[in-house]
Amino acid sequence: EVQVSESGGGLVQPGGSLRLSCAASGFTFSKFAMNWVRQTPEKGLEWISGITGDGGSLYYTGSVEGRFTISRDNSKNTLYLQMNSLSAEDTAVYYCAKGSGYYYYFCAMDVWGQGTTVTVSS
Amino acid sequence: DVVMTQTPLSLSVTPGQPASISCKSSQSLLNGDGKTYLYWYLQKPGQSPQLLIYELSSRFSGVPDRFSGSGSETDFTLKISRVEAEDVGVYYCMQGLHLPPYTFGQGTKLEIK
Repeated sequence: EVQVSESGGGLVQPGGSLRLSCAASGFTFSKFAMNWVRQTPEKGLEWISGITGDGGSLYYTGSVEGRFTISRDNSKNTLYLQMNSLSAEDTAVYYCAKGSGYYYYFCAMDVWGQGTTVTVSS
Repeated sequence: DVVMTQTPLSLSVTPGQPASISCKSSQSLLNGDGKTYLYWYLQKPGQSPQLLIYELSSRFSGVPDRFSGSGSETDFTLKISRVEAEDVGVYYCMQGLHLPPYTFGQGTKLEIK
């Protein structure tokens, strides 16, 4: 069964850092792009970052560029999101989502994890 | 960024009756390869989003054939031919052509009467 599962969420102070992980199983991880999507009641679903199968191309939405870094370790079938300079606006449920192809473009996000909650508060 | 606008934001449907959700994009989602990069997702209560429809009208693996997607360029529709209790949740459209970023509609909440 194709699965992805996030971990690493929690409570962090404003200005702090957090690293999320996403463990993948049931498919050849290196052959598929991966994404991070977050959700809040106020803004709904917001795609924030994507990475190609080989990790060679990275993509970000404007509000996180320069603060967040997406990466992957294909030997460990794991996706990461390093989040720095966090603010209250980053409070959300963060989902890992598998792309339907190798490249970021022209792909659906076809399998999602259960999400991990990040709360930024003092 | 491409803006996705869904209507209605909520609907209440009697089991066995049809339902329809509209989604409009601020730019055409028809690509030069002839494909339209419009997707539909369902987020059931307490769950993560699940893919229903990809590239305008193709059902994802395991999705019942009562779900169908249609439309062209900037106007899209998700139809459920006969609503069942398990269809409750929030439906989202998403564009996957003008990247980055992927952008989602606000969501349409479906409840059962």
